[in-house]
Amino acid sequence: QSVLTQPPSASGTPGQRVTISCSGSSSNIGTNLVSWYQQFPGAAPKLLIYSNTQRPSGVPDRFSGSKSGTSASLAISGLQSEDEADYYCAAWDVGLSGWVFGGGTKLTVL
Amino acid sequence: QVQLQESGPGLVKPSETLSLTCTISGGFISTYHWSWIRQPPGKGLEWIGYIDYSGNTNYNPSLKSRGTMLVDTSKNQFSLKLRSVSSADTAIYYCARGKTPYHFDFWGRGTLVTVSS
Repeated sequence: QSVLTQPPSASGTPGQRVTISCSGSSSNIGTNLVSWYQQFPGAAPKLLIYSNTQRPSGVPDRFSGSKSGTSASLAISGLQSEDEADYYCAAWDVGLSGWVFGGGTKLTVL
Repeated sequence: QVQLQESGPGLVKPSETLSLTCTISGGFISTYHWSWIRQPPGKGLEWIGYIDYSGNTNYNPSLKSRGTMLVDTSKNQFSLKLRSVSSADTAIYYCARGKTPYHFDFWGRGTLVTVSS
């Protein structure tokens, strides 16, 4: 059971906008910054969004992040087939004094 | 560009100790937090702990004190020892550079460790 809650799956058709939610508590998302990671099968996770809304260099602006209270969201607009991957949210938890992750969301492009 | 590379045995017997090393290239071990993160086959990510260049550590309480991390600044390496392993410790182990409490910006490719007799 992950500390952060994500839907196990999400899907969309090419060109659509998809959002993935990440729910936490006051000790993690409510207090600290959220990051998102993209993971393709057989590969390491890659930083996709940091500090709730920032994109590292090289990440397309189709990817965006937001945070409100104890929840965060990842939005992917103009969905493409190469976006099919697993997505994880993460935050520092002040109560646990450690990093916590969401259980991951498998995105399927139909 | 910072690169991280995990190394260590891919097979460990139950009740024995898992030992992994992460070698950092393209950057120095100073300033950041260096983490181990694992992923059981087909499952999600679990943070194991981090160490800084001074040797200060912070572990996930779920490990129940089985883990020890060390840093070797002369070799630009840090390591993980996990004692008394069981099949539940079978996972891909990643090392990653962290900017606590912000994010992990560089990850190794990961190494699969199987616990089996």
